[in-house]
Amino acid sequence: DGGITQSPKYLFRKEGQNVTLSCEQNLNHDAMYWYRQDPGQGLRLIYYSQIVNDFQKGDIAEGYSVSREKKESFPLTVTSAQKNPTAFYLCASSVWGNNEQFFGPGTRLTVL
Amino acid sequence: GEDVEQSLFLSVREGDSSVINCTYTDSSSTYLYWYKQEPGAGLQLLTYIFSNMDMKQDQRLTVLLNKKDKHLSLRIADTQTGDSAIYFCSESEVNTGFQKLVFGTGTRLLVSP
Repeated sequence: DGGITQSPKYLFRKEGQNVTLSCEQNLNHDAMYWYRQDPGQGLRLIYYSQIVNDFQKGDIAEGYSVSREKKESFPLTVTSAQKNPTAFYLCASSVWGNNEQFFGPGTRLTVL
Repeated sequence: GEDVEQSLFLSVREGDSSVINCTYTDSSSTYLYWYKQEPGAGLQLLTYIFSNMDMKQDQRLTVLLNKKDKHLSLRIADTQTGDSAIYFCSESEVNTGFQKLVFGTGTRLLVSP
């Protein structure tokens, strides 16, 4: 069954802690993306990666970091520098240059 | 920069048609998309339209594009309670192979029996 998985579904962290969100895909897609969703707002792009070992900042990269060591995996770290991290985080993937992005089920992060 | 606007809420009765509207600013957009998000879930691509088309129909879904007014609409015929969700309009800009999607705020569709 091909698709994108994100874990965990719900995540809680204390202020000042870094936390890593997982995103895995078995669609053999080259490109992967991280978005943030806040209530009443559309999705905003955090980071994207075209190929392994390469990634680019999106519109709201401050306070976040990523890595792309494997084609299947694109983890996102929310660092303590992110001032307002509570949000719903969505990972997506696509064939590079294709017009369809496939989304994972999302991770809801709450900072306590 | 690019901007995509949608109304926040739409309520219809089961069996009626729903029309969700969207306006966008980037006239160079090559594709425009409609995504559906059910509660607590990711986004699912419903349909898309290429910028040189006026209309696209796919079963109960009809997309209309008015390029002059930069207006996109999604019509759902015979709306069902299972259609209750948030619908996002999105435009794409292709720049050196990178397909950047710009999303609207989403329209929450509530279908009552």
